[in-house]
Amino acid sequence: DTGVSQDPRHKITKRGQNVTFRCDPISEHNRLYWYRQTLGQGPEFLTYFQNEAQLEKSRLLSDRFSAERPKGSFSTLEIQRTEQGDSAMYLCASSLKVVAPYNEQFFGPGTRLTVL
Amino acid sequence: AQTVTQSQPEMSVQEAETVTLSCTYDTSESDYYLFWYKQPPSRQMILVIRQEAYKQQNATENRFSVNFQKAAKSFSLKISDSQLGDAAMYFCAYRSSQGSGYALNFGKGTSLLVTP
Repeated sequence: DTGVSQDPRHKITKRGQNVTFRCDPISEHNRLYWYRQTLGQGPEFLTYFQNEAQLEKSRLLSDRFSAERPKGSFSTLEIQRTEQGDSAMYLCASSLKVVAPYNEQFFGPGTRLTVL
Repeated sequence: AQTVTQSQPEMSVQEAETVTLSCTYDTSESDYYLFWYKQPPSRQMILVIRQEAYKQQNATENRFSVNFQKAAKSFSLKISDSQLGDAAMYFCAYRSSQGSGYALNFGKGTSLLVTP
């Protein structure tokens, strides 16, 4: 399977714990995005990388959230001191920077986080 | 910030019939991109169709077509000859042509039920 993969698919944690999610983009894609999707809502943009550089962060990305893409390949999203409001599906997407009208974002299956 | 509104939380269609999903958006930009994404239950989001705002011609992809009304800021999706496999959440999304990240701005989605 050469699509976007995410690990774990499900995570249950207790309030106050730290969690880390991983995203592996399509291999040649140099852009990587993180979104959060809560129940009954569409995905909301969190942050974006081009290669290893984090170029854009949403106001939704509080200080408890940190994302990295150390070698420009896989990315991790860490949430510190989780709160019940962090319960959501965390989606990763990747795209290829091309000289074209647009670049399609390919989504992974998501990591569903439940904070008890 | 651009807002995307999908006013139909749920829609139902019989197999082989045609259904139209509505989407409106708010923007002050003249150049942008619009997308419809499909999210089947417990499966990852996939792109259905896209429209560049500078193109007057409505996009079509097999059984899927859009009615893009730029002045009215409306972007509806028509699914013809509906199939059971079309059952999913459908999200309308907006992407600016400006800025560096090209993050997608999603609506809340429409749940499409297809009945035999």
